[in-house]
Amino acid sequence: EDQVTQSPEALRLQEGESSSLNCSYTVSGLRGLFWYRQDPGKGPEFLFTLYSAGEEKEKERLKATLTKKESFLHITAPKPEDSATYLCAVFNNAGNMLTFGGGTRLMVKP
Amino acid sequence: DGGITQSPKYLFRKEGQNVTLSCEQNLNHDAMYWYRQDPGQGLRLIYYSQIVNDFQKGDIAEGYSVSREKKESFPLTVTSAQKNPTAFYLCASTGGFGADTQYFGPGTRLTVL
Repeated sequence: EDQVTQSPEALRLQEGESSSLNCSYTVSGLRGLFWYRQDPGKGPEFLFTLYSAGEEKEKERLKATLTKKESFLHITAPKPEDSATYLCAVFNNAGNMLTFGGGTRLMVKP
Repeated sequence: DGGITQSPKYLFRKEGQNVTLSCEQNLNHDAMYWYRQDPGQGLRLIYYSQIVNDFQKGDIAEGYSVSREKKESFPLTVTSAQKNPTAFYLCASTGGFGADTQYFGPGTRLTVL
C-alpha cells in the first residue's frame, strides 16, 4: 500500500526566513510525485510534478527536489502570501489513484 | 475560460436526506475524480471515472454513488447511508487515466444539520 507522510504538520516562519518541507513516501513503483498548494476553503492548486530521483523544479520562491525516498519543497525568502497548506501526493506505476499526504500548513509572518 | 466548476459552494443537509454535488469540466478531460477532505487531513479518494459510463470505487466509496453519463459531468450523491458526511468535497480531472496532473475544482462544503 502506498504511503505518504509530510512533516512538519505546521511551520511558522518569519518573512524572509528560508526553510524546507518534507514529503516521505513508499510506493510500488513511482510514476510521479506531485506538489499542490491549498488555500483555506479552496481547491488545491498544482505546483510541480517530479518523475525521477535527482529531478528538480522551480517556480518563483519554491523549489522541489526528489530522491528515491522523499521530496523536499524548499521555500526561499518566503512572503506572507506564501502562507497556505502544501500537499504532496504520489502516483504509482499501476496508475490507479493518487495517494496524498496530510499536508504541511505554512504560516509566514511579516 | 477552461476549468472545473463545482456547485453549490456550501450545502446543508438534514440527516436522512440524499444530496447531489455537481462537478462540470470544460477541459475535454477523460478522467474525473471525487475526493473527500476532513479538517487538517489530506484527500481521500471516493470514486473515479476513466471514461463515460464507467467508474470505480476508491478508498472510501461506502455511502456514496456517482454517474458518468457525459464526458464533462461527474455528479456525486451523498446518501443517507454515509455515516459522517460533513466534509469538504473536491472534484478533479486529468487528461487521460494514469496521465499526470490532476486539476481541482473549488470544492463544496457539506454540513449535516
